[in-house]
Amino acid sequence: QSVLTQPPSVSGAPGQRVAISCTGSSSNIGATYDVHWYQQLPGTAPKLVIYNNNNRPSGVPDRFSGSKSGTSASLAITGLQAEDEADYYCQSYDSSLSFVVFGGGTKLTVL
Amino acid sequence: QVQLQESGPGLVKPAQTLSLTCTVSGGSISSGGYYWSWIRQHPGKGLEWIGYIYYSGSTYYKPSLKRRLTISIDTFKNQFSLKLTSVTAADTAVYYCGLGVDTSMITHFWGQGTLVTVSS
Repeated sequence: QSVLTQPPSVSGAPGQRVAISCTGSSSNIGATYDVHWYQQLPGTAPKLVIYNNNNRPSGVPDRFSGSKSGTSASLAITGLQAEDEADYYCQSYDSSLSFVVFGGGTKLTVL
Repeated sequence: QVQLQESGPGLVKPAQTLSLTCTVSGGSISSGGYYWSWIRQHPGKGLEWIGYIYYSGSTYYKPSLKRRLTISIDTFKNQFSLKLTSVTAADTAVYYCGLGVDTSMITHFWGQGTLVTVSS
């Protein structure tokens, strides 16, 4: 299993808000390493949507936001749109393992 | 904007060497602060970080792959490469090359990915 734990799936209706959690430990998120989030649309490469916990790259809508507290982080998407349907992965660094680690991914379904 | 494109055989036999190349366009592979990485995704599974090479040539590999893995850089061709020896079916995955700007912790740009199947 993954070092960072994400729910396998979340869903929401268009216009609603959803949040995806990412739970780590004292050797990664809790050790103050930053969390980054990637969106993977079906059949495509991942795309960075949040970096350093709560920053959006240029071109990412402000409907996407991130937060981090203790050993967990969260990606929130407000005003859900059909185009947001994708897999989302959190990522950080683990000092015990000494490499970059990903969450197992969360499939977002827009109802 | 930097673009990356993976290339290489889509089928590799068990025990042989998997070799992939990532061609970079829209930027120089020798640019300071660039971390060139490889990440893979097993079929239907999540992402797995493999390793990176810094523009200067220094490398860092996932410890469990270190014995079999080599990442190298070719500044003349503006490419970097991955070689994974003694492959098994467990190495079957989509392999992505990526770029982290000023950090190895984030992959800012991704290639489209290439599926490599290990099978006899």
